Amino acid sequence: DAKTTQPPSMDCAEGRAANLPCNHSTISGNEYVYWYRQIHSQGPQYIIHGLKNNETNEMASLIITEDRKSSTLILPHATLRDTAVYYCIVTANNNDMRFGAGTRLTVKP
Amino acid sequence: NAGVMQNPRHLVRRRGQEARLRCSPVKGHSHVYWYRQLPEEGLKFMVYLQKENIIDESGMPKERFSAEFPKEGPSILRIQQVVRGDSAAYFCASSMDRLNTEAFFGQGTRLTVV
Repeated sequence: DAKTTQPPSMDCAEGRAANLPCNHSTISGNEYVYWYRQIHSQGPQYIIHGLKNNETNEMASLIITEDRKSSTLILPHATLRDTAVYYCIVTANNNDMRFGAGTRLTVKP
Repeated sequence: NAGVMQNPRHLVRRRGQEARLRCSPVKGHSHVYWYRQLPEEGLKFMVYLQKENIIDESGMPKERFSAEFPKEGPSILRIQQVVRGDSAAYFCASSMDRLNTEAFFGQGTRLTVV
């Protein structure tokens, strides 16, 4: 019952940009778009979040469409260590974070 | 700058025993969340606590499960009379605030019920 739709899997060549899409057509005005990733069986790791403006940090960029119904997470230069399951979450607060199945990104040499 | 610490990392219990999972949040964080992850599935929210108070336990099974976050010490997730279906990875997260802020996750406790 996640509020987002993501492709189940994607491949990316090492050194290339990885673009991970997410659809959230029912997003509410007060909900943020968050991205987390889970490497193997470790605890999820925060990547980035935003409300309506594009965001960038040392890990990634987040592009949110003007109507906020979809977004794209961009890893500019993917490495093998970026292989993980990436979760897109829309929520207004941390106790309502619903993790779906995510996208399993495999970075290949 | 310690992150969220969970212990034990692995816990084996026989059916009917009790399991106690501990979570020390990031220093200064007063918001704690517990999640459960079954094999090959996503994380499922269980409970949200804010220092000594349970704010949201909508994801917690009604029986056998309880959580606390005392004024002093770690948050505890307690599972009484464990059954095989309780076998899962349990993750704890903490945050500075509830809104518009990142949550930091621990490495999880893997509970195996035999």
